[in-house]
Amino acid sequence: RKEVEQDPGPFNVPEGATVAFNCTYSNSASQSFFWYRQDCRKEPKLLMSVYSSGNEDGRFTAQLNRASQYISLLIRDSKLSDSATYLCVVPREGGYQKVTFGIGTKLQVIP
Amino acid sequence: NAGVTQTPKFQVLKTGQSMTLQCAQDMNHEYMSWYRQDPGMGLRLIHYSVGAGITDQGEVPNGYNVSRSTTEDFPLRLLSAAPSQTSVYFCASRTSSGNTIYFGEGSWLTVV
Repeated sequence: RKEVEQDPGPFNVPEGATVAFNCTYSNSASQSFFWYRQDCRKEPKLLMSVYSSGNEDGRFTAQLNRASQYISLLIRDSKLSDSATYLCVVPREGGYQKVTFGIGTKLQVIP
Repeated sequence: NAGVTQTPKFQVLKTGQSMTLQCAQDMNHEYMSWYRQDPGMGLRLIHYSVGAGITDQGEVPNGYNVSRSTTEDFPLRLLSAAPSQTSVYFCASRTSSGNTIYFGEGSWLTVV
């Protein structure tokens, strides 16, 4: 299994839809996980952290499934402005000094 | 609100030329890194630094050099450009204890 795997998509969804992405990871010792958002031709920016208990921020919910070694990002009531690539980030070596980025999942919200 | 500033934004090089990508941050972050991003691949770490005077190699260091003489600056040098170094380069920084990585706006490099 690769260190971090994501479906590159694209996921084409209509406005108002709910969409979910998964990201699988291989290092079972990883403690912290993150979702970054990257707009076309822009730099990645932190979207949210993923905690064992899950994390919710408005329309966005991140979950961790340690048993199956994946994290998920759920976006409710999709907006056109949600169109972007969502990168999964997993620390290496038990810390955050080095991280592994997934290739990203591209989301296109359609009017 | 400068954050992480990298220059140039666009550059075309001929094979064999050398150049330096500049990176500066004004947040007093200890950790700085250089990544490259290629289609179909995640961001890959080239070199990183945990403080002034300390640098280390990442996943893809060959063909690149770095130095960290100050906390603020972390330049990336391409020694002899090759077409395989055509990529988008991102400089990044964070605190030693923080979770958020702050990226520069990226440098689009083409080697012909």
